[in-house]
Amino acid sequence: NAGVMQNPRHLVRRRGQEARLRCSPMKGHSHVYWYRQLPEEGLKFMVYLQKENIIDESGMPKERFSAEFPKEGPSILRIQQVVRGDSAAYFCASSPPLPTDTQYFGPGTRLTVL
Amino acid sequence: GENVEQHPSTLSVQEGDSAVIKCTYSDSASNYFPWYKQELGKRPQLIIDIRSNVGEKKDQRIAVTLNKTAKHFSLHITETQPEDSAVYFCAASTMGSARQLTFGSGTQLTVLP
Repeated sequence: NAGVMQNPRHLVRRRGQEARLRCSPMKGHSHVYWYRQLPEEGLKFMVYLQKENIIDESGMPKERFSAEFPKEGPSILRIQQVVRGDSAAYFCASSPPLPTDTQYFGPGTRLTVL
Repeated sequence: GENVEQHPSTLSVQEGDSAVIKCTYSDSASNYFPWYKQELGKRPQLIIDIRSNVGEKKDQRIAVTLNKTAKHFSLHITETQPEDSAVYFCAASTMGSARQLTFGSGTQLTVLP
């Protein structure tokens, strides 16, 4: 059973470009979470999704950030018009259906904005 | 919302000694408390978790204790080894509908050989 997959592992963008980060959950997992980790800081929750539904986006910046988890395919975190402050590691986690709450993390995407 | 505080931010111990990391949380509704280990440049890995209906849980050299009344929980690592060196994060969440993890700020553990 493959773990949580994320790609790309490293992404370099210039200011103003778009960044698209992909996450494939573990097999059998229907819940996906995105977290952001700034250098030498803890992880901050961004958004929680189930297939075709955003359950909780209370941690998402109001502008430029969006997320989806379509019926088919990976979950996508999209950052439009990136700025240098978006440089961070973005981790995706997945968990199986309730009542299990354990979240398993992917390897992360390290975004660098030049 | 939930707030999790973690101490200390750095911890150095001699190989073979014990290490203790402490966390406090603010939301009395929180009932799930995992601990993650993160090596440099790697993903956070779950090492142990505890639910609020349990006061203590142990897995080999790792144990976690929970005091619901005081709203704090601790990670205990015994017989530390150099490979235990990493950043450790505590987290809290409410099982069920609000499943987001709120993380502490992390503890850099260094085990000196």
